[in-house]
Amino acid sequence: QKEVEQNSGPLSVPEGAIASLNCTYSDRGSQSFFWYRQYSGKSPELIMSIYSNGDKEDGRFTAQLNKASQYVSLLIRDSQPSDSATYLCAVKNNQGGKLIFGQGTELSVKP
Amino acid sequence: DAGVTQSPTHLIKTRGQHVTLRCSPISGHKSVSWYQQVLGQGPQFIFQYYEKEERGRGNFPDRFSARQFPNYSSELNVNALLLGDSALYLCASSLTFNEQFFGPGTRLTVL
Repeated sequence: QKEVEQNSGPLSVPEGAIASLNCTYSDRGSQSFFWYRQYSGKSPELIMSIYSNGDKEDGRFTAQLNKASQYVSLLIRDSQPSDSATYLCAVKNNQGGKLIFGQGTELSVKP
Repeated sequence: DAGVTQSPTHLIKTRGQHVTLRCSPISGHKSVSWYQQVLGQGPQFIFQYYEKEERGRGNFPDRFSARQFPNYSSELNVNALLLGDSALYLCASSLTFNEQFFGPGTRLTVL
C-alpha cells in the first residue's frame, strides 16, 4: 500500500464545473495536509494547507479533511482552463518536515 | 519578495560524474528541504536541513549528500551519477516545519 494515494487521472471536467480531487493516506500519525498545483514543466505551487478535520475554503478552492477515514480532498469550483494542471497531495507527520507526496492527479478543464 | 532560487536551471552530465545543485531559501526561512521528482511521479524527499543541521534523510544512497550554510542557502551533491538520477531536483524553503515553498527546480539529465 502506498503511503499517499491519488487517482492518477486524467480527470476531465467542463469549464464552470466543480472538479473533485481525492487523496488517501496510510499513516494515522499524519498531522498536516497540503495540496500543490504543478503546471507542466514547472515546480509545485502550494495552494492549500489543512490541519484539522472539516472544510477550509480559499476562493474557489475548498480542502476537506477526514482523519478518521484518512482522506483529504480538494474541490475546485467554477473550474477554468487555467486550472488544468497536475494536483499533488502531500502529507506530513509531526516528526520533522518530510512531505510524502501522492503521484498526482492530472486535471483537464475543457472550454 | 524573492522566492526560492535554484541554480543551475538545467544540467547535463554523463554517468560517473558528480554534480552540485544550489538553493537559496526565501528571506527569513531557516529550513531547506530537497526533493527528487521523476517524470510522472510526486516529489520524493531527500534531505531536510534546519539551522545548518540535518533534520531528516530520505531513502537515497550515500552518493547523495547535502549541507546548509550560515546564510541558510544549501547545496545538494550527487556523486557517481547514474542514468536513474535524471530528474527534476526541487528545493523547498519553510519558516516552520509545515508549509514548504518550492523553487523552480534544477532539471538534471544524465547521459
